[in-house]
Amino acid sequence: DVKVTQSSRYLVKRTGEKVFLECVQDMDHENMFWYRQDPGLGLRLIYFSYDVKMKEKGDIPEGYSVSREKKERFSLILESASTNQTSMYLCASSRLLRGTQYFGPGTRLTVL
Amino acid sequence: GQQVMQIPQYQHVQEGEDFTTYCNSSTTLSNIQWYKQRPGGHPVFLIQLVKSGEVKKQKRLTFQFGEAKKNSSLHITATQTTDVGTYFCAGPQGRGQAGTALIFGKGTTLSVSS
Repeated sequence: DVKVTQSSRYLVKRTGEKVFLECVQDMDHENMFWYRQDPGLGLRLIYFSYDVKMKEKGDIPEGYSVSREKKERFSLILESASTNQTSMYLCASSRLLRGTQYFGPGTRLTVL
Repeated sequence: GQQVMQIPQYQHVQEGEDFTTYCNSSTTLSNIQWYKQRPGGHPVFLIQLVKSGEVKKQKRLTFQFGEAKKNSSLHITATQTTDVGTYFCAGPQGRGQAGTALIFGKGTTLSVSS
């Protein structure tokens, strides 16, 4: 079974802090994704990566950056957390860019 | 840009009633995927449709892909409380140098009362 894990289920940070969200997949997938999920807004793509060190902006990249140094790991970075970044963050991976995505359990981030 | 719209946003049914959610794309899709997210959980892949007019069934769930490959539907017959959750459709969207990636609809949240 494909397994996608995220470093924390719940995280509380203060405004202005630098926040790292980590995602690891064990299926040797080329592609990894970061979404945020807010009520009524569905899944919004923040960034994705189609290869090590390769990244592409999604629909809402402002205020975020990403890092993919190893194939199995994709990190989402909030350079200076703000209260409007309080959300559920979901990581996913897939073998093909347009293929089935496997999601991690999510990290619920609260920025105070 | 390309959009994937889902209706309705919310649906409440009595257990045993049928349920349908619709997905419409502004452009032709090469495939469409459906995911289910249980309350408190994460999206889980249900099925992929590729061919024009394709119909696939999974027990009480029936998935259709339109002839023009711009719309799709998920129909649940005789809903059960285990069907509760949010159903998302997703289709490929052009994305810069990478080529394509999935764009998700906003989902339809189904609640079922017994």
